[in-house]
Amino acid sequence: ILNVEQSPQSLHVQEGDSTNFTCSFPSSNFYALHWYRWETAKSPEALFVMTLNGDEKKKGRISATLNTKEGYSYLYIKGSQPEDSATYLCAFLNSGYALNFGKGTSLLVTP
Amino acid sequence: GAVVSQHPSWVICKSGTSVKIECRSLDFQATTMFWYRQFPKQSLMLMATSNEGSKATYEQGVEKDKFLINHASLTLSTLTVTSAHPEDSSFYICSAPNGRGHRQPQHFGDGTRLSIL
Repeated sequence: ILNVEQSPQSLHVQEGDSTNFTCSFPSSNFYALHWYRWETAKSPEALFVMTLNGDEKKKGRISATLNTKEGYSYLYIKGSQPEDSATYLCAFLNSGYALNFGKGTSLLVTP
Repeated sequence: GAVVSQHPSWVICKSGTSVKIECRSLDFQATTMFWYRQFPKQSLMLMATSNEGSKATYEQGVEKDKFLINHASLTLSTLTVTSAHPEDSSFYICSAPNGRGHRQPQHFGDGTRLSIL
């Protein structure tokens, strides 16, 4: 079992605030880092798959960065909206076949 | 986009019952599917990798005779929890990549909440 740590565990922000979360993972044998958004009563939805050190990806107001040498990834949400409320999961891939998930960061955005 | 259907969503049954959970890829073929389990306040933990046409690969500590996996077609994998007991109560979820390689995101089912009385 590989240790994937996410922080903070939960976050409560006001609409319009920008926020960011951290995902820490082992820096050895790196294949890929995945980010998912998981809304209540729905299935996890893929946000990003990142594979190269220094990668930066963006999808609307959400972006992510990757540092494989030090073993961390940041997820940023600019101008949070209530519909961004969800649990954000990161998952580390080290063998090309199985994802190791963190416990997630639970985000609540209130109007 | 790629869709994975999982059912049932909820199962409540008596101890000793066997429960089958289905995971279907609706608009793509999945030679590999993954089964995860999540206990309260814990992360998704991989239980096994389901391989179409061959035996599943189980993670350490997961009893293969307890959790039977069948992947008989390119669009369907089933997980059967045999003789379920209260300690098997958990959230079970499947996923499948649409394509090969580690750059492919996983497409998840909605999950199954299993409660054993």
